[in-house]
Amino acid sequence: KAGVTQTPRYLIKTRGQQVTLSCSPISGHRSVSWYQQTPGQGLQFLFEYFSETQRNKGNFPGRFSGRQFSNSRSEMNVSTLELGDSALYLCASSLPSGRDTGELFFGEGSRLTVL
Amino acid sequence: GDSVTQMEGPVTLSEEAFLTINCTYTATGYPSLFWYVQYPGEGLQLLLKATKADDKGSNKGFEATYRKETTSFHLEKGSVQVSDSAVYFCALRGASGGSYIPTFGRGTSLIVHP
Repeated sequence: KAGVTQTPRYLIKTRGQQVTLSCSPISGHRSVSWYQQTPGQGLQFLFEYFSETQRNKGNFPGRFSGRQFSNSRSEMNVSTLELGDSALYLCASSLPSGRDTGELFFGEGSRLTVL
Repeated sequence: GDSVTQMEGPVTLSEEAFLTINCTYTATGYPSLFWYVQYPGEGLQLLLKATKADDKGSNKGFEATYRKETTSFHLEKGSVQVSDSAVYFCALRGASGGSYIPTFGRGTSLIVHP
């Protein structure tokens, strides 16, 4: 069974640009969550989607947004990029809550560098 | 809110040494507890989990026991290998129904020397 796939794996942007990252979950998983990982802040929760609806949102500014499609694939967008947005962005999928033990399956991440 | 505290790293050991990485948590209710491992250049992958008090999770020689009385989930391995060098994250997630946000510790880097 294919794992979680994230694209692109690496990208370089300049301040003020925007970026869109994509995540394809494991087949059958309908919940997708996104995380920002930096050396200084560790792993921080961005948001979670289930059945095309955002269920939870972390403490990030409105420049960070996401969506989920009917096939459970998800995208996240960061607008007006800042230097501090440089990070590894991880996507994870899981079975619907209440029917699993909460295990997350992570992709390899998209490493964003903002110059 | 929920929180996870794990020991600062890096932890540096010689091959075949005993490993302990401490993890304590604060949460309401009865969360599930996890250890994830991240190898260089990769995402996190589940190492082991425990879903209720006194459960012991184990995988690849690693073990951790869900201790509700001490709110701890310490990771142990009797004999580490160079290939165990990675960053280890302790995490929790709410137990049942509805939406819940996973909470991760800051990660502990393990370096194993031959």
